[in-house]
Amino acid sequence: AQTVTQSQPEMSVQEAETVTLSCTYDTSESDYYLFWYKQPPSRQMILVIRQEAYKQQNATENRFSVNFQKAAKSFSLKISDSQLGDAAMYFCAYRSPGAGSYQLTFGKGTKLSVIP
Amino acid sequence: DAGVTQSPTHLIKTRGQQVTLRCSPKSGHDTVSWYQQALGQGPQFIFQYYEEEERQRGNFPDRFSGHQFPNYSSELNVNALLLGDSALYLCASSLPGTGGAGEQYFGPGTRLTVT
Repeated sequence: AQTVTQSQPEMSVQEAETVTLSCTYDTSESDYYLFWYKQPPSRQMILVIRQEAYKQQNATENRFSVNFQKAAKSFSLKISDSQLGDAAMYFCAYRSPGAGSYQLTFGKGTKLSVIP
Repeated sequence: DAGVTQSPTHLIKTRGQQVTLRCSPKSGHDTVSWYQQALGQGPQFIFQYYEEEERQRGNFPDRFSGHQFPNYSSELNVNALLLGDSALYLCASSLPGTGGAGEQYFGPGTRLTVT
C-alpha cells in the first residue's frame, strides 16, 4: 500500500516571501500521480497543482511550483510571493494510475500561516 | 454552475444510531467518492460510486455503506455509530472517464459529531 508523509505539521511564512512544504511517499509503482490540495477554514479542498510521475518537468501553476524527485520519492511544494489568502492546511496526495485505482491517499497535512 | 454540494452541514448523533449524509456532484460529473477526515488528519478514502455501483472501497467496515442514484447524487450511510466515527465527511466528484490525473472536486463536507 502506498503511504504519504508530510513531516512538517506547521509552517509559517512572511507575506511576499517564499515557503516550501515537504512531502515524501512510498510506492512500488513506476507510474502514478501526485497532487497538492489546499483546505482553507471553509473546509473545501481545492486542487493546487498536480504532477504525473512520467513527466520529468516539474509542474507550475502561477505562484505554485513543485520539486519532484522521483528517485528520492519526494514531492515538495514551493509557494512564491506568499499572500494572506494562502493560509490554509495543505495536503499532499498520491493516486495510482489505471483501471481499478481511483482513491487518493493523503498525508496528514501541513498548516501554513502567513504573517502580515 | 453549482459545485459539489453536501447536506447537512453539521450533525450530532448518539452512539448506536444511524446517519445518512447526502452529496450532489458537480454538473456533468458522474462519479462520486467519499472520504472521512478525522480531526488533525488527512482524508481517508471510504468508497467510490460509478453507474450506481460501488467501484472501489477503502479500509472501512461494512457499517459504512452507500448508494448512488440515477441523477448521480449519492448517500453515505453509517450504522451503529461509534465515538470514533466523529469526523468531517467529504464528498468528491469527477468527470466521466477521468482516472489517473483527473481532478476530483470536493464539497464543503458534513461535520458529524457522535456523543
